[in-house]
Amino acid sequence: EVQLLESGGDLVQPGGSLRLSCAASGFTFSTYAMSWVRQAPGKGLEWVSDISGNGTTTSYADSVKGRFTISRDNSRNTLSLQMSSLRVEDTAIYYCAKENYYDARRFDQWGQGTLVTVSS
Amino acid sequence: EIVLTQSPGTLSLSPGERATLSCRATQSISNYLAWYQQKPGRAPRLLIYGASTRATGIPDRFTGSGSGTDFTLTIRTLEPEDSAVYYCQHYGRSPTSTFGLGTKVEIK
Repeated sequence: EVQLLESGGDLVQPGGSLRLSCAASGFTFSTYAMSWVRQAPGKGLEWVSDISGNGTTTSYADSVKGRFTISRDNSRNTLSLQMSSLRVEDTAIYYCAKENYYDARRFDQWGQGTLVTVSS
Repeated sequence: EIVLTQSPGTLSLSPGERATLSCRATQSISNYLAWYQQKPGRAPRLLIYGASTRATGIPDRFTGSGSGTDFTLTIRTLEPEDSAVYYCQHYGRSPTSTFGLGTKVEIK
């Protein structure tokens, strides 16, 4: 059974930094691209970033480009999102999601999310 | 950037009725469209991909259709557990991905 468990969400001040992690199990992690998708309180879904299975290719939404960095450790089956220069509008639940092998950014499984709150 | 517009914003129907949800893209996306269901406090769940293919374990009362710019999710014979927000999403060839704003389905 595929399991994705996010952690690292916290309350942080504007301009601060935070690192999110996603522990994956139940599948061959290195085979699949992975994404982060966020959801502001009471709002819709926003794709944030993704990374290829071998970690060599990354993509970012314009809203986070230059501030967030996605990475993965295939030896530990872990996906990470390093967030810096955080803004109030980055407040959201952050989900990690497993992409389909054949269709980029089609999300077959999701974690339960971790809450990031940016506030002074 | 491709924008997806979902309508209506909210749908209020009784059990047993049919729900018809619309998703329109600002340019052709072929059939690179997925539908997700999200219940309160839960992560989204993939329902439909390729515009019309049901994901594993999805009941056949959920049907997706369309291609190009106009897509529809139909829920035949609504059940109480279908109360949720439904999102459409463009995925695939573009290096990014976009979601619609969602349609909330309320069961009376």
